[in-house]
Amino acid sequence: ETGVTQTPRHLVMGMTNKKSLKCEQHLGHNAMYWYKQSAKKPLELMFVYNFKEQTENNSVPSRFSPECPNSSHLFLHLHTLQPEDSALYLCASSQGTGGSYNEQFFGPGTRLTVL
Amino acid sequence: GQNIDQPTEMTATEGAIVQINCTYQTSGFNGLFWYQQHAGEAPTFLSYNVLDGLEEKGRFSSFLSRSKGYSYLLLKELQMKDSASYLCAVMNRDDKIIFGKGTRLHILP
Repeated sequence: ETGVTQTPRHLVMGMTNKKSLKCEQHLGHNAMYWYKQSAKKPLELMFVYNFKEQTENNSVPSRFSPECPNSSHLFLHLHTLQPEDSALYLCASSQGTGGSYNEQFFGPGTRLTVL
Repeated sequence: GQNIDQPTEMTATEGAIVQINCTYQTSGFNGLFWYQQHAGEAPTFLSYNVLDGLEEKGRFSSFLSRSKGYSYLLLKELQMKDSASYLCAVMNRDDKIIFGKGTRLHILP
């Protein structure tokens, strides 16, 4: 596979469930990102990892827990979510985090619905 | 605060030219990106500007004026497949990327 892949593509969960989103990049990039995209809102950066180290947590509630075991894989663990967390969750990667190296390659996203 | 402004929606005709504007106020500036996002799909990279001036790439061009906090994306010879949202994103001094809400472009035959 090439590019950035995400699984699952769609997820419906109850507020008491625990689930995980998975992202994998096959581009040899060093930085990976989680974004949230809600209707009529701008893309919201959630987390940034650079060389497996978290470099950005954009005031995200603790019910979202990221994990980056290596530069190619990124997870978002979800627990006790709220209905307002329903959104498209996009993963992205970039060669680096400065200048043109920050060109983001996005995965197809996971459409999350919290009931 | 940090703010990216772009029009919510625009409509243009197939074969015509359209200019999508973006103004920004951020804590420092390290570059500006334009992305295209078709409905239900992931954003894809279109352009990157860090110096003032016009960058041309086929039918698409992007302009930047850092002193005015202003950029535009110019699309020429519009095609139906150009119907999409266009996202302006600015990288601040900390290399953090802030996205605008996007401009939904409708192309009429």
